[in-house]
Amino acid sequence: RKEVEQDPGPFNVPEGATVAFNCTYSNSASQSFFWYRQDCRKEPKLLMSVYSSGNEDGRFTAQLNRASQYISLLIRDSKLSDSATYLCVVKPTGFQKLVFGTGTRLLVSP
Amino acid sequence: DADVTQTPRNRITKTGKRIMLECSQTKGHDRMYWYRQDPGLGLRLIYYSFDVKDINKGEISDGYSVSRQAQAKFSLSLESAIPNQTALYFCATSETTGELFFGEGSRLTVL
Repeated sequence: RKEVEQDPGPFNVPEGATVAFNCTYSNSASQSFFWYRQDCRKEPKLLMSVYSSGNEDGRFTAQLNRASQYISLLIRDSKLSDSATYLCVVKPTGFQKLVFGTGTRLLVSP
Repeated sequence: DADVTQTPRNRITKTGKRIMLECSQTKGHDRMYWYRQDPGLGLRLIYYSFDVKDINKGEISDGYSVSRQAQAKFSLSLESAIPNQTALYFCATSETTGELFFGEGSRLTVL
C-alpha cells in the first residue's frame, strides 16, 4: 500500500461548482498534513496546512479524519484559475521528510 | 528574482554523460532537498541536507550524488546519465519540515 494515495482524476467541473478531493495515508502516527497546488509544468506551492480541527481559507476548506486516515480538500465556487493538480503531503512521525501523493488533477471549465 | 533558483532549466544529454544540476537559494534556510517528478509517480526524494555538513539519502538516491557547497547551494550530479533518469527535477528548501519552497524545476532528457 502506498504511504499516501490520491485519486489522479481528472475532476472536470463547471465554474461555480463545489468539488472535493480525498487523500488517504497509511501511517496512523503521521502528524502533519498539507495540500500543495501545482500548475502544469510549474513548481508545487503550499496551498494550506491541515489542522486537526479543520481549517478554512476563503473558498478552500481542509479537513483531517484521523480515525479513517484521510484528509480532504473542498473547493467552493470553483474558478477557472483553480485548474491545477492538488498534491496531498504527509509528514510521518519520527521522519524529517515529507511524503507526497501523486496528485489529483482538477479542470474547471466555463 | 526567484528565492530558489535552479540551473539549467532544460537540458538534453546523452547516455553516459556526467550532468550537474545546481540550486541556490536566498531564503536563508538550512534545509535543502532534491526531488524528481515523473508522471504517475509524483515527487520522490533523492537527497536532502539539513545543514552544510549533513547529507542524507532519500528514497531513490542510486545513480545520483550531491554536494552542499554552502548554506545557499546544493547541487545534484548524475555521474553517468541513463535514459530512465529523464525527469523533472526540483530543488526545495525549508526552515522546518513544514512548508517547502521549490525552485522552478530542471527538465532533463537523457537520450
